[in-house]
Amino acid sequence: EAQVTQNPRYLITVTGKKLTVTCSQNMNHEYMSWYRQDPGLGLRQIYYSMNVEVTDKGDVPEGYKVSRKEKRNFPLILESPSPNQTSLYFCASSLGMGAYNSPLHFGNGTRLTVT
Amino acid sequence: AQKVTQAQTEISVVEKEDVTLDCVYETRDTTYYLFWYKQPPSGELVFLIRRNSFDEQNEISGRYSWNFQKSTSSFNFTITASQVVDSAVYFCALRMNNNAGNMLTFGGGTRLMVKP
Repeated sequence: EAQVTQNPRYLITVTGKKLTVTCSQNMNHEYMSWYRQDPGLGLRQIYYSMNVEVTDKGDVPEGYKVSRKEKRNFPLILESPSPNQTSLYFCASSLGMGAYNSPLHFGNGTRLTVT
Repeated sequence: AQKVTQAQTEISVVEKEDVTLDCVYETRDTTYYLFWYKQPPSGELVFLIRRNSFDEQNEISGRYSWNFQKSTSSFNFTITASQVVDSAVYFCALRMNNNAGNMLTFGGGTRLMVKP
């Protein structure tokens, strides 16, 4: 089954404790991206990757890091989480650059709480 | 810059009523793509439809229909004979052609509650 898999689904942590949210897709998509969802703000892009070893900032990259060492994986790293990063996070993938009409396929989300 | 506005933050209807979710977008580009996603209470985001800016044909899929009007920059979504399972948050999104990040710009979402 074609899917984007995120882990964990729920995560509660404390300020300053480094964490990683994993994301993996099995559709051989070139493009992957991370979004965060906050009430009233919809979804906002954090980082994206056009292909292996190619990443760039989205609209709200502060406090986040990503890496793309393999095509299928795109982990989101919070080096020193803060309470304002409490949010619902989605990983997404789609066909690559130029395929602007290609819909994003989203993972099931990771609800992060930073206390 | 592009923007998507979903003015209705919350709508409540009774089962079997028809309901329309509004989406208004702003862009200077002539080529762009519009999407609707559904987010049920379980939280995942489900792709519903895509529309290209050069294709203004309306679309119907079962009880769902979409009305795309470039003249008013709107891409409204109608559910006919709503059902309790339609209860969800619905997002409208816009993607520009040639945008570097392949980014979707989302509206704030409309929470639809269908009561039995």
